[in-house]
Amino acid sequence: AQSVTQLGSHVSVSEGALVLLRCNYSSSVPPYLFWYVQYPNQGLQLLLKYTTGATLVKGINGFEAEFKKSETSFHLTKPSAHMSDAAEYFCAVSDQVAGGFKTIFGAGTRLFVKA
Amino acid sequence: DTEVTQTPKHLVMGMTNKKSLKCEQHMGHRAMYWYKQKAKKPPELMFVYSYEKLSINESVPSRFSPECPNSSLLNLHLHALQPEDSALYLCASSTEASGLTDTQYFGPGTRLTVL
Repeated sequence: AQSVTQLGSHVSVSEGALVLLRCNYSSSVPPYLFWYVQYPNQGLQLLLKYTTGATLVKGINGFEAEFKKSETSFHLTKPSAHMSDAAEYFCAVSDQVAGGFKTIFGAGTRLFVKA
Repeated sequence: DTEVTQTPKHLVMGMTNKKSLKCEQHMGHRAMYWYKQKAKKPPELMFVYSYEKLSINESVPSRFSPECPNSSLLNLHLHALQPEDSALYLCASSTEASGLTDTQYFGPGTRLTVL
């Protein structure tokens, strides 16, 4: 079974600083990886995903992530944090299961942005 | 229209009540999902419908009964719930075009409290 591990349940940055949220995956096959964001009292929204091809993936709101097979990582970055980026971020991987497929979410990282 | 709607937004019910959660999408998606999310935790998959047929049931107790009357609508019928079932219930949909690489579109959720 595939899995993802998010390092750090909480990350705090100052407004304008670099955002780095860490995600490592465990997979015996080429993984399909996702980052979702959840704002308070809302559902999840896709930031970006890696399927095949270019290993640097650009997403919405200035976020990007780089798939590094050698490090089994898919870390999420943003050059300059904005107050509106404060949210919960989930790394996820798709896994083939009986009946179809399912999305396996990491535990989540809460991003705090200080003024 | 890229929206998944869920009603009601909030629901308080007693352990002997019967209630239903409703989810709707008009994006032409053929896969729909129910997730349960406890506070400060990632979403946990409950059910997946593919082309209006139940394809995945994650060993969910029978007090939760899903229904997919048509390709746009997904219901979750609740009966004899326990206080530990209190959570945010999220609905999502995806195209099912390629499964593993599909983006899931989430609704805002129904906040359920069981007294």
